[in-house]
Amino acid sequence: AQSVTQLGSHVSVSEGALVLLRCNYSSSVPPYLFWYVQYPNQGLQLLLKYTSAATLVKGINGFEAEFKKSETSFHLTKPSAHMSDAAEYFCAVRTGAGSYQLTFGKGTKLSVIP
Amino acid sequence: EPEVTQTPSHQVTQMGQEVILRCVPISNHLYFYWYRQILGQKVEFLVSFYNNEISEKSEIFDDQFSVERPDGSNFTLKIRSTKLEDSAMYFCASSRGSGTATNEKLFFGSGTQLSVL
Repeated sequence: AQSVTQLGSHVSVSEGALVLLRCNYSSSVPPYLFWYVQYPNQGLQLLLKYTSAATLVKGINGFEAEFKKSETSFHLTKPSAHMSDAAEYFCAVRTGAGSYQLTFGKGTKLSVIP
Repeated sequence: EPEVTQTPSHQVTQMGQEVILRCVPISNHLYFYWYRQILGQKVEFLVSFYNNEISEKSEIFDDQFSVERPDGSNFTLKIRSTKLEDSAMYFCASSRGSGTATNEKLFFGSGTQLSVL
């Protein structure tokens, strides 16, 4: 079965510092991987997704993630944190055969300290 | 950007009552989904719906749950007899395709917080 594990339920960074949110996946087939962001009282918004086209995926708001098969990882990074990045971030893997059936990680809450 | 709309944003019901959660997916989308998130837990897939039938469902989606697209614009989730453990945020989502195309997205609504008392 495919799954994702997010390391760290809560990450704090200073404004302007590097953001690194960790996600490891488990999959017996080439995975489709996603990062979503959830702001308070809002739905989930897609940041980026990996569909095997390129290992380095660029998303919205300056975020990017690199697919590393050897490490079974898909970590999310942003060079310089902004106060508006404070939110909860979810890694997910597509587990459905013919639809967007996603299995999510537990989420990482990102706090940005001014 | 187009939006998935969910109503109401918060619904309170008594245990054993039927509840219907409503969603208006994006108009040209073909795939529809319900997910839920119990407080403090993962977002969990419930069901996907395509071509007027369920395409995939999880173990959570038992006989107490049903989905319907009654009029070509709305997409509903019905819980026949609610239990305390059904209390959660329920997210509706929709997509144009099945998720394999690079430029394709799954759009989520803002959710309906269901509280079962």
